[in-house]
Amino acid sequence: IQMTQSPSSLSASVGDRVTITCRASQSVGSYLNWYQQKPGEAPKFLIYGASFLQSGVPSRFSGSGSGTDFTLTISSLQPEDFATYFCQQSYSTPYSFGQGTKLEIK
Amino acid sequence: QVQLQESGPGLVKPSQTLSLTCTVSGGSISSGDFYWSWIRQYPGKGLEWIGYISHSGRTYYIPSLRSRVTISLDTSKNHFSLKLSSVTAADTAVYFCASGYSYGYGLCFESWGQGTLVTVSS
Repeated sequence: IQMTQSPSSLSASVGDRVTITCRASQSVGSYLNWYQQKPGEAPKFLIYGASFLQSGVPSRFSGSGSGTDFTLTISSLQPEDFATYFCQQSYSTPYSFGQGTKLEIK
Repeated sequence: QVQLQESGPGLVKPSQTLSLTCTVSGGSISSGDFYWSWIRQYPGKGLEWIGYISHSGRTYYIPSLRSRVTISLDTSKNHFSLKLSSVTAADTAVYFCASGYSYGYGLCFESWGQGTLVTVSS
């Protein structure tokens, strides 16, 4: 299953509301996860089941969608949110990731 | 959450075998909850899941690597390992180990090692 994210990069300011989109090449139901990666670090697990926040993840993060179209929204960007975000489908093996969306400071 | 740490050579010659170990702390590798996984990230930043091994030793490998990859468990040392044979420059990547866990929506990768860069070069 191919996962495609858009945009590939995004410039935004602290306090902005941003949305990142992930599209699957076929339906994955709600089997969609999101990760955040900062330079030089491992990805950090944020959201599972398209919309369920992992414990400890700030509530400004939210996920939605089902089937083939999904979104990750950050309601009010904080300085620590500037990173690259990846989606991952867990509907069927081989599990696959999107190519990433780099969120940069404007 | 468990903690994971990769170890192994950072440089491997073409045609040789890449070998990495992931040491798990804060939990038992024999736990039935986790699917111990390897994931790699290419220099262009794309992520590729390589496969997993369960606590019982059941494995899954992605089709493109199935003929070259082996993931194994060592419960006495609480670690799991990756072997990738006949490597080429295309296998140059940062290799992560991760704990795969299901909250009812397939496997997500809850905890990750810090990653180790493996370069294939003569």
